[in-house]
Amino acid sequence: DAGITQSPRHKVTETGTPVTLRCHQTENHRYMYWYRQDPGHGLRLIHYSYGVKDTDKGEVSDGYSVSRSKTEDFLLTLESATSSQTSVYFCATGSQVDTQYFGPGTRLTVL
Amino acid sequence: KQEVTQIPAALSVPEGENLVLNCSFTDSAIYNLQWFRQDPGKGLTSLLLIQSSQREQTSGRLNASLDKSSGRSTLYIAASQPGDSATYLCAGLETSGSRLTFGEGTQLTVNP
Repeated sequence: DAGITQSPRHKVTETGTPVTLRCHQTENHRYMYWYRQDPGHGLRLIHYSYGVKDTDKGEVSDGYSVSRSKTEDFLLTLESATSSQTSVYFCATGSQVDTQYFGPGTRLTVL
Repeated sequence: KQEVTQIPAALSVPEGENLVLNCSFTDSAIYNLQWFRQDPGKGLTSLLLIQSSQREQTSGRLNASLDKSSGRSTLYIAASQPGDSATYLCAGLETSGSRLTFGEGTQLTVNP
């Protein structure tokens, strides 16, 4: 698992509240990714980072923002959570662009 | 836009059987094709990675092939075991190297 932890592992929140998910890695990997996994859609890339303070949008970035102030931490923020953002969120990291290691996931429920 | 499809969505086999999981992709301009395993409630574990210039990769009882011209990859599992029960996902990495596109996976059950 390349030393990847995600917090929290489970969260229930209400529509309209801000939510921040944290991904922490101990492998000093350059690349970090946030995905969401939903039935009928598989895993989809939200945002990714290719270095400290270097981020880019993925396939489903609307409603999400990210920050990476340190190599080891990649934060995903839902500014105002909606029910459509109920999902399982996975962080992944990699030392090279072609290899990704996944964290255990965060199950988010927005009521 | 790359689309990845996996067939079948679910498969149940008796222990000891050899089996093949299928993955097809629409854009042959991929950097590599990867196979992952996901156990219930867990993250993904990388199984095999095939570079675009390669035709196959092997690891133990697993063999993955890649045919870019037809947009297909297969994962062959030999002598299946109950511990192989999991969801198997394939994903293509676009040539820019920044995005993996996943299939929805095949849920495999190996019955003792």
